[in-house]
Amino acid sequence: KQEVTQIPAALSVPEGENLVLNCSFTDSAIYNLQWFRQDPGKGLTSLLLIQSSQREQTSGRLNASLDKSSGRSTLYIAASQPGDSATYLCAVKRSGANSKLTFGKGITLSVRP
Amino acid sequence: KAGVTQTPRYLIKTRGQQVTLSCSPISGHRSVSWYQQTPGQGLQFLFEYFSETQRNKGNFPGRFSGRQFSNSRSEMNVSTLELGDSALYLCASSLPAADTQYFGPGTRLTVL
Repeated sequence: KQEVTQIPAALSVPEGENLVLNCSFTDSAIYNLQWFRQDPGKGLTSLLLIQSSQREQTSGRLNASLDKSSGRSTLYIAASQPGDSATYLCAVKRSGANSKLTFGKGITLSVRP
Repeated sequence: KAGVTQTPRYLIKTRGQQVTLSCSPISGHRSVSWYQQTPGQGLQFLFEYFSETQRNKGNFPGRFSGRQFSNSRSEMNVSTLELGDSALYLCASSLPAADTQYFGPGTRLTVL
């Protein structure tokens, strides 16, 4: 059974800091890994998706990496801003047809002005 | 293009009642998935529908059911509500064989 872990559960940083959010998963037979952002009381917004054959993806100030063999992914946020404050979730999709997403519990990020 | 819409946005029910939640996917998306989000368990997969057929199901009791209509709109039903069913229910849609799921804003269900 796939398990996805995100530690720590919460993180507070000053504005401008570069930061790394970690995600680990137990079963390396994944199809892809996705990072989402969730604002309080809202749905999820997809940030980056990494296919199992890829090592990283970039979008603006965000960079996500994937190391399938070690079961780890990181989301790097450059020059953090107060608007980045949200909960960040990673989710993995297992190899195989009709496979569901398994989510971590998320990291709640607070960027202090 | 309009995003995924969910109705209602908020619901308050009492134990023992039943509830139906609705999800309208992005136009052209035929796959709809449902998730339950609680502070303790996080996001958990309920079920997925594609072309009116349930093709994947999570580990939830039979009180949780769903269906999908020919226009890809989906409903989920929870019967005999329990306090522990209080949660944010999210639906997501995607294109056939696509990787990215697009989520709706969710329905916040409170069971008293």
